[in-house]
Amino acid sequence: GEDVEQSLFLSVREGDSSVINCTYTDSSSTYLYWYKQEPGAGLQLLTYIFSNMDMKQDQRLTVLLNKKDKHLSLRIADTQTGDSAIYFCAERASSASKIIFGSGTRLSIRP
Amino acid sequence: DAGVIQSPRHEVTEMGQEVTLRCKPISGHNSLFWYRQTMMRGLELLIYFNNNVPIDDSGMPEDRFSAKMPNASFSTLKIQPSEPRDSAVYFCASILKQGSPLHFGNGTRLTVT
Repeated sequence: GEDVEQSLFLSVREGDSSVINCTYTDSSSTYLYWYKQEPGAGLQLLTYIFSNMDMKQDQRLTVLLNKKDKHLSLRIADTQTGDSAIYFCAERASSASKIIFGSGTRLSIRP
Repeated sequence: DAGVIQSPRHEVTEMGQEVTLRCKPISGHNSLFWYRQTMMRGLELLIYFNNNVPIDDSGMPEDRFSAKMPNASFSTLKIQPSEPRDSAVYFCASILKQGSPLHFGNGTRLTVT
């Protein structure tokens, strides 16, 4: 079945880069997503990548996809205090509309 | 664009009471999803609808949970009777079409005492 795994916590110094990693099991996934959740709010779409791409860049965000290893990463350059949140990796099962989420990685920023 | 609207934002109720959560998807979106978020289990898909028709309800925990989508602009998730273990944040989300990303509401925080 489908499964998405992430580490639970990441602590980064302000100004450094953050790299959040994710692995998934469905080799036929067509879309992979990164969402951000701030306290008391819903999940906000940050970026997504099609499975036929291996990299996507959007300002401070870089997504890397290794289809062979089923590994997805999100890099946030110049991490700021406003980046503190939980980051969710998600995949869309190719055979259905439903999207499967990882457990989320809580990113904390230290001065 | 008002986004996905959920109500209420917070609900506190006693065990055994009926709870109804409401969702208005983004206008024009044809699929709607209900998720539940807890510390222990993370984000779980409960049920989703395409064009108002339930497609997959395998995530609904038990018969106490039911969901309806009477029209394209409204859905409810009902728990009857509620139990303390139902305490969680319930999110509604919608998508424009298959392949589009999910747009989430701000959730309903349910506390059952």
